[in-house]
Amino acid sequence: DVKVTQSSRYLVKRTGEKVFLECVQDMDHENMFWYRQDPGLGLRLIYFSYDVKMKEKGDIPEGYSVSREKKERFSLILESASTNQTSMYLCATQGASTGELFFGEGSRLTVL
Amino acid sequence: GENVEQHPSTLSVQEGDSAVIKCTYSDSASNYFPWYKQELGKRPQLIIDIRSNVGEKKDQRIAVTLNKTAKHFSLHITETQPEDSAVYFCAATLRGSARQLTFGSGTQLTVLP
Repeated sequence: DVKVTQSSRYLVKRTGEKVFLECVQDMDHENMFWYRQDPGLGLRLIYFSYDVKMKEKGDIPEGYSVSREKKERFSLILESASTNQTSMYLCATQGASTGELFFGEGSRLTVL
Repeated sequence: GENVEQHPSTLSVQEGDSAVIKCTYSDSASNYFPWYKQELGKRPQLIIDIRSNVGEKKDQRIAVTLNKTAKHFSLHITETQPEDSAVYFCAATLRGSARQLTFGSGTQLTVLP
């Protein structure tokens, strides 16, 4: 069973703070993704990574960066949090053979 | 890039009735179309998918149809049950290329007892 673990379920931060969201997977998948989920907007891709130290911008990368120093860990970084980054953040890994995405439980971030 | 539109945004049906959710996509090269279900407070999970070499796929009470000419695909749930209440997302991608999915905006399905 694939396990995708996100470090924090709920966070409350202040505007301007640096925020780290961490994601760890135990299935040796190369592909990892960060999505943002907002009501009425579906799941929007922020960044993805195909391998260690590799990253690609998704559809909404502005205000975010990522780090993938180890295959099992993919971190999302908000350098200076803003109120419009209040959202649910979902990490996912992808099975190479089927293309199925396996999601973490999500991190709900509130920026005050 | 790919653009996926999903309708309706909310859908209420009586238990036992059928539910249909429709999606359209823009990139004619897309060839993989999964559907994810997200129950309240839980993570999205794949429930069914279809590839462009078939027009229909069925798994018990759920089925997906694909019309490549019109660039739309639909999720059909028959004999709905309260546990079918969830948000459903369609998605489209070109497999074998970048492998990232473009999701629709989601449909909140409520099955009324």
